[in-house]
Amino acid sequence: KAGVTQTPRYLIKTRGQQVTLSCSPISGHRSVSWYQQTPGQGLQFLFEYFSETQRNKGNFPGRFSGRQFSNSRSEMNVSTLELGDSALYLCASSLPSGGLNNEQFFGPGTRLTVL
Amino acid sequence: GENVEQHPSTLSVQEGDSAVIKCTYSDSASNYFPWYKQELGKGPQLIIDIRSNVGEKKDQRIAVTLNKTAKHFSLHITETQPEDSAVYFCAASDGTSYGKLTFGQGTILTVHP
Repeated sequence: KAGVTQTPRYLIKTRGQQVTLSCSPISGHRSVSWYQQTPGQGLQFLFEYFSETQRNKGNFPGRFSGRQFSNSRSEMNVSTLELGDSALYLCASSLPSGGLNNEQFFGPGTRLTVL
Repeated sequence: GENVEQHPSTLSVQEGDSAVIKCTYSDSASNYFPWYKQELGKGPQLIIDIRSNVGEKKDQRIAVTLNKTAKHFSLHITETQPEDSAVYFCAASDGTSYGKLTFGQGTILTVHP
C-alpha cells in the first residue's frame, strides 16, 4: 500500500506571496492532519480534516487554511507569506474510522522557504 | 492545553548499548502516546505507541512504558545499531481533540559503531 504523498517536496517563495501544498493520504484513510515543523518550535498542529470537514484547528493565524476533497486528498494554503513561515509542512493520515486517537502516518513533507 | 517535555535533547551511545528517552505530559486526560523516528529528509515514522490502559508495550528491540500517576512515559531501545541513529519524538493526545498530537522537542540519538 502506498504511503502518504505530498507535493511539491520543495518550494521557494517570496514574502507576500501565497502557496498551496497538497497531500494524498494512504488509500482508505479519511482523516488528514497537517503540522508545521521548525527548529525553534518543533512540530505544531495546524488542522485536521475528515470527510471534507475541518474538525480541529491549532493556534495559527487565519493566513493558514486548508480543505479536503471528496477523495480525501487535502490541500493547505498560506497567504501573505512571512519569513517565519519557512518550515517543513507535514501531512499525516489516519485509519478510516475517523475516531479519536488513531495512529497517524506521516508523509515526507514539503520544505517551504520564504525569501 | 497539553504540554510535553522530552529529555534528553541529545543522546550518544555505543553500538549494542541501550538507549532511554523520557517524556512527561501535563494533561491527565491524555490517553494515547505514540513515538516517532525521523531520519534526515524524511517525515516522522511511527515506531511504537501505547494507550493509557496499558503499562508497557514491546516490539522486538523497542519498548515503551507508561506511568499514568506520574504522567510520564519512556522509550527503551536495546541492542542499539547505527541505523537507529535519528531524531526521536514522543507525542500525546488527549482523546478529545481530533487529529491533534502534541509533540516533545525531540531527541537526537547517535549510535557509534
